[in-house]
Amino acid sequence: GAGVSQTPSNKVTEKGKYVELRCDPISGHTALYWYRQSLGQGPEFLIYFQGTGAADDSGLPNDRFFAVRPEGSVSTLKIQRTERGDSAVYLCASSQTQMQTQYFGPGTRLLVL
Amino acid sequence: AQRVTQPEKLLSVFKGAPVELKCNYSYSGSPELFWYVQYSRQRLQLLLRHISRESIKGFTADLNKGETSFHLKKPFAQEEDSAMYYCALRSGPGANSKLTFGKGITLSVRP
Repeated sequence: GAGVSQTPSNKVTEKGKYVELRCDPISGHTALYWYRQSLGQGPEFLIYFQGTGAADDSGLPNDRFFAVRPEGSVSTLKIQRTERGDSAVYLCASSQTQMQTQYFGPGTRLLVL
Repeated sequence: AQRVTQPEKLLSVFKGAPVELKCNYSYSGSPELFWYVQYSRQRLQLLLRHISRESIKGFTADLNKGETSFHLKKPFAQEEDSAMYYCALRSGPGANSKLTFGKGITLSVRP
């Protein structure tokens, strides 16, 4: 079946602009995670949704970052006033329930010029 | 705080040689440990998890709580094993399900 999908695959923006990154989880998966992977690093946790609610947003670096999952399926990660340091690959993962295997999407590569 | 350390960035071996990718962790409770793999131009995928105690593609990993380690091993490396490998930790059942990853290691298997 279809895996986790993310759009766009690449995004180039200018410093100070607003961006939205989209994640389509595997159908029926209630848990959804966002991670960020900078060059030479492993993925770092940003936020976790259980259903529609953000169960843990402790990984969001500051208030420029926000994520939603209004209907409990698709999620959007929103970054305001982008900075060059936001450049990274943003990964989304979903799992059937909270403690089951997380399946990752292909990521969105964000470049802030 | 939980932390995963992968001390090496690159391991290069010849086909047929044994492989050991090191992973150490820091966590006060009873964690779940995982190895994820990313082949060239593919997405991150689960290789194995310690609670399954299984061998996947010839790889095994044993959780050593005394040494807080979860090293990944394979007795005879194959060229198709060349990839990026990440060790990851998750708090035990009932706690937060987020994964904490190490920085990863590139395994290169030469013919």
